Amino acid sequence: DSGVTQTPKHLITATGQRVTLRCSPRSGDLSVYWYQQSLDQGLQFLIQYYNGEERAKGNILERFSAQQFPDLHSELNLSSLELGDSALYFCASSVGDSGQPQHFGDGTRLSIL
Amino acid sequence: GQQVMQIPQYQHVQEGEDFTTYCNSSTTLSNIQWYKQRPGGHPVFLIQLVKSGEVKKQKRLTFQFGEAKKNSSLHITATQTTDVGTYFCAGPGGATNKLIFGTGTLLAVQP
Repeated sequence: DSGVTQTPKHLITATGQRVTLRCSPRSGDLSVYWYQQSLDQGLQFLIQYYNGEERAKGNILERFSAQQFPDLHSELNLSSLELGDSALYFCASSVGDSGQPQHFGDGTRLSIL
Repeated sequence: GQQVMQIPQYQHVQEGEDFTTYCNSSTTLSNIQWYKQRPGGHPVFLIQLVKSGEVKKQKRLTFQFGEAKKNSSLHITATQTTDVGTYFCAGPGGATNKLIFGTGTLLAVQP
């Protein structure tokens, strides 16, 4: 158990819809990262938050947004969903904001029909 | 931008054979980390190497950080079916020092 909690585990929705993925980091971790992993693909970094503030941005689409709340949990919002957004979305957390080891949640599998 | 490449992309071995994956960064890294992702699972942190030329062992796994701190390797001795999964290396990079993950090596072990 990594200590990182992601909900929901599975999400099935239709094109054009909007969903919210939730992540609670490990106790004591201030950084939260979001990754997208498509079938047989690597980890695509989306965005990082540290102690409530956006710290780094990857190849995140404009239709996607995220935030980190005062209690350090984070939400990833995906809107105007397309078939190509079907993927596994991982949240990870780390103590600091600068290259420390990351601990991953179990992921949310998003399927767009 | 900084890139971290791994070779091979995929390797299939017979149980008991050795396995090595190589990780190469386009820039010098302050540290290198290795993660394992089992099929259907999430990446799990294995180890971090910091010093130039550092070698660390975890049972049958040997991790090495290159002298120039731009490459690394993971060697598994006498593979077992429990070693199946994708192995990722990762190193801090860019202006914000975020972790950049390698492309991964998928290891299949035939009993």
